[in-house]
Amino acid sequence: AQTVTQSQPEMSVQEAETVTLSCTYDTSESNYYLFWYKQPPSRQMILVIRQEAYKQQNATENRFSVNFQKAAKSFSLKISDSQLGDTAMYFCAFRYGGSQGNLIFGKGTKLSVKP
Amino acid sequence: DTEVTQTPKHLVMGMTNKKSLKCEQHMGHRAMYWYKQKAKKPPELMFVYSYEKLSINESVPSRFSPECPNSSLLNLHLHALQPEDSALYLCASSLIGLPYNEQFFGPGTRLTVL
Repeated sequence: AQTVTQSQPEMSVQEAETVTLSCTYDTSESNYYLFWYKQPPSRQMILVIRQEAYKQQNATENRFSVNFQKAAKSFSLKISDSQLGDTAMYFCAFRYGGSQGNLIFGKGTKLSVKP
Repeated sequence: DTEVTQTPKHLVMGMTNKKSLKCEQHMGHRAMYWYKQKAKKPPELMFVYSYEKLSINESVPSRFSPECPNSSLLNLHLHALQPEDSALYLCASSLIGLPYNEQFFGPGTRLTVL
């Protein structure tokens, strides 16, 4: 069975600083996709960034980037120039490449950005 | 319109009540999902509808009954719930066909069962 592990239940960072959230996963599949979702307090969950396992190049979306290490089964999220609005719960998620694959979430990391 | 809406925002019900949660999207997505999320936990998948047909039921108790009347609407009918069913119920939708597709989540209905 696939598992997703986020080893940091809580983290904090000063505004404008850089922070990295860790995620590891376990799978025997070669075709899969990885996601980071953000859930701000009392607000909707939104997709931050995604990565296809077959792509070696790390995905980037503005201040958000990933470090995807396929052999190590690691998928960390780096947030640069942290902003107060980045305060949220961050979930790492895995999905099979097949049509019936569903999101498997990690337990989440609560990130607090301090002024 | 890139929004998933859910009503009501909050719901308090007794164990003998019958109530329904509603979810709506107008993005043309043909996959719709119900998740249950307990406090400080990740969402847990309950049901998946593909082309208005139930495709996945994650062994959810029969006191939860989903319904997809059309491609824009998803309901979750609740009956004889238990206090441990109190949670945030999230609806999501996505395009079908590619696992890369983003799931769009609604704001959720916070359910309290007394």
